[in-house]
Amino acid sequence: DTGVSQNPRHKITKRGQNVTFRCDPISEHNRLYWYRQTLGQGPEFLTYFQNEAQLEKSRLLSDRFSAERPKGSFSTLEIQRTEQGDSAMYLCASSLTGVNYNEQFFGPGTRLTVL
Amino acid sequence: GNSVTQMEGPVTLSEEAFLTINCTYTATGYPSLFWYVQYPGEGLQLLLKATKADDKGSNKGFEATYRKETTSFHLEKGSVQVSDSAVYFCALSDHNTDKLIFGTGTRLQVFP
Repeated sequence: DTGVSQNPRHKITKRGQNVTFRCDPISEHNRLYWYRQTLGQGPEFLTYFQNEAQLEKSRLLSDRFSAERPKGSFSTLEIQRTEQGDSAMYLCASSLTGVNYNEQFFGPGTRLTVL
Repeated sequence: GNSVTQMEGPVTLSEEAFLTINCTYTATGYPSLFWYVQYPGEGLQLLLKATKADDKGSNKGFEATYRKETTSFHLEKGSVQVSDSAVYFCALSDHNTDKLIFGTGTRLQVFP
């Protein structure tokens, strides 16, 4: 399968702990996006990368959140000192600029539960 | 700022009924418009898209037309099936970054 993959699929943690999620985009896709989806809502944009450069961060992304894409391939999203309000589905998507109107392909998501 | 508003659900229909899910948007410039679908237990999938005014996107019997004058992109299907039961999201994208801005989603339930 050459789609977008995310790990882990589920994460349960206690408040105050740090968590890290990984996203593997479709190979050769140069853009990678992170979104957050809470129950009953649509996904909300968090940040995106073009190759290894992080080009935009949403106001939703507090100082406790950091994302990296060190070699322009996979990406990690870390949340430090988790809070109950961080409980959500974290979605990753990738796209190839200039192809098919930059269509984004989504991964299955990582569901985070903060107790 | 840019935003998307779509009708609240759930929408409950019998098989073979006609479906309309309304979507309107607010945007600067000329965004691309999308409908994504999320089947139970699965990830988001692109259903259809339109990139300029008067374009009609279509896929799997679903259609939506980009109406600039009414800033709308309503989703329609002439005859729904039980397998169409899912959550449908309307979205627009910023032309510079391609980041997607989603509506809140509309759950469709189709009964036999």
